[in-house]
Amino acid sequence: DIQMTQSPSSLSASVGDRVTITCRASQGINNYLAWYQQKPGKVPKLLIYAASTLQSGVPSRFSGSGSGTDFTLTISSLQPEDVATFYCQNYNSAPYTFGQGTKLEIK
Amino acid sequence: EVQLVESGGGLVQPGGSLRLSCAASGFTFGSYAMSWVRQAPGKGLEWVSTISGSGYTTYYADSVKGRFTISRDNPKNTLYLQMNSLRAEDAAVYYCAKHGPGGWTTWFDTWGQGTLVTVSS
Repeated sequence: DIQMTQSPSSLSASVGDRVTITCRASQGINNYLAWYQQKPGKVPKLLIYAASTLQSGVPSRFSGSGSGTDFTLTISSLQPEDVATFYCQNYNSAPYTFGQGTKLEIK
Repeated sequence: EVQLVESGGGLVQPGGSLRLSCAASGFTFGSYAMSWVRQAPGKGLEWVSTISGSGYTTYYADSVKGRFTISRDNPKNTLYLQMNSLRAEDAAVYYCAKHGPGGWTTWFDTWGQGTLVTVSS
């Protein structure tokens, strides 16, 4: 099974900061990688699919990159409403494993 | 508008059974794979099971294989998860999720609100 490892597990940043979260797959998954945002008490929401394609309606400050085993989610300018836990997910093959999550807070 | 509404959660004793349902609307249900994802209290997301649009292909996490069965009724636009031999570690909010276009190797573009399953004596 493919393992997905995110780093860091948590981070605190200031409004306006550039924030980067990384996700590493234990084996190559091409670009079959999605990022989800889960705000406190809310349902997960798709942000990015195919490693770098922004889901409709998602603010352009979010971007994704990578292929193979190493992937990155970047928020170009952190906003207060971005407080959430972010998850990466492999959908290359079952089991469609998620990373353990990265909790983002505002400093 | 695409909408997914789960139901069927509740309190069940260890060893018991429960059937979750997910009513779908706003899209051609039979054209999309569907999945169940769960989240234990205070924990991360765990993929549980996936079913193809036709219902002929299914996948399960090792943690539920042999105990849970995913199925769908396309004319009724409904997804199911039959859960048997429930354990304390199965307690979680269960979400149904719609896949993107192109089969089961796609992202989850829409999620339901979730239904809570509690396993306790």
